[in-house]
Amino acid sequence: DVKVTQSSRYLVKRTGEKVFLECVQDMDHENMFWYRQDPGLGLRLIYFSYDVKMKEKGDIPEGYSVSREKKERFSLILESASTNQTSMYLCASSQPGLNEQFFGPGTRLTVL
Amino acid sequence: AQRVTQPEKLLSVFKGAPVELKCNYSYSGSPELFWYVQYSRQRLQLLLRHISRESIKGFTADLNKGETSFHLKKPFAQEEDSAMYYCALSGDSNYQLIWGAGTKLIIKP
Repeated sequence: DVKVTQSSRYLVKRTGEKVFLECVQDMDHENMFWYRQDPGLGLRLIYFSYDVKMKEKGDIPEGYSVSREKKERFSLILESASTNQTSMYLCASSQPGLNEQFFGPGTRLTVL
Repeated sequence: AQRVTQPEKLLSVFKGAPVELKCNYSYSGSPELFWYVQYSRQRLQLLLRHISRESIKGFTADLNKGETSFHLKKPFAQEEDSAMYYCALSGDSNYQLIWGAGTKLIIKP
């Protein structure tokens, strides 16, 4: 059974804190993605990576950075969390050319 | 510009009634389209893709290039169909999907 796991299901942080969200996939996929999921806005791409150490900005990268040091792991970093970053964060992975994305369970982040 | 539009944020139908979730896309090339579903407290997952031309859980979706649509249909809704549904387009990119805003489907008993 293919799996994408995320480090936390729920996270509560304070404004200004540095936040790390981790994602691990066991499918040897090249591509990995971080999305925000907000009601009425659907899925918005924050960053994606198509190879180790390679990253591309998505539609809403401001306030976020990412790290991909190993193929199976893709981290999302909020350098200084703000209340408008309260959201559900979804990680996904895919294989090039196949387009089907496999999702993690999500992390619901609340920034107070 | 590549875009996916799901005009209904919320769709509520009675059990046993037909369901149609609308999806329209904007893309000049030959698109690949998907429907993803997210049941309550579960992860987002692929429901079906147009190239498969198969029925999953009673749902079908036909690509209509003339109307640039990929509507999801089921003749008789079940309560377990209640979920969030997203339409997505694979266009120019080898990596990215373009996502609609989603439709929340509620099946009333």
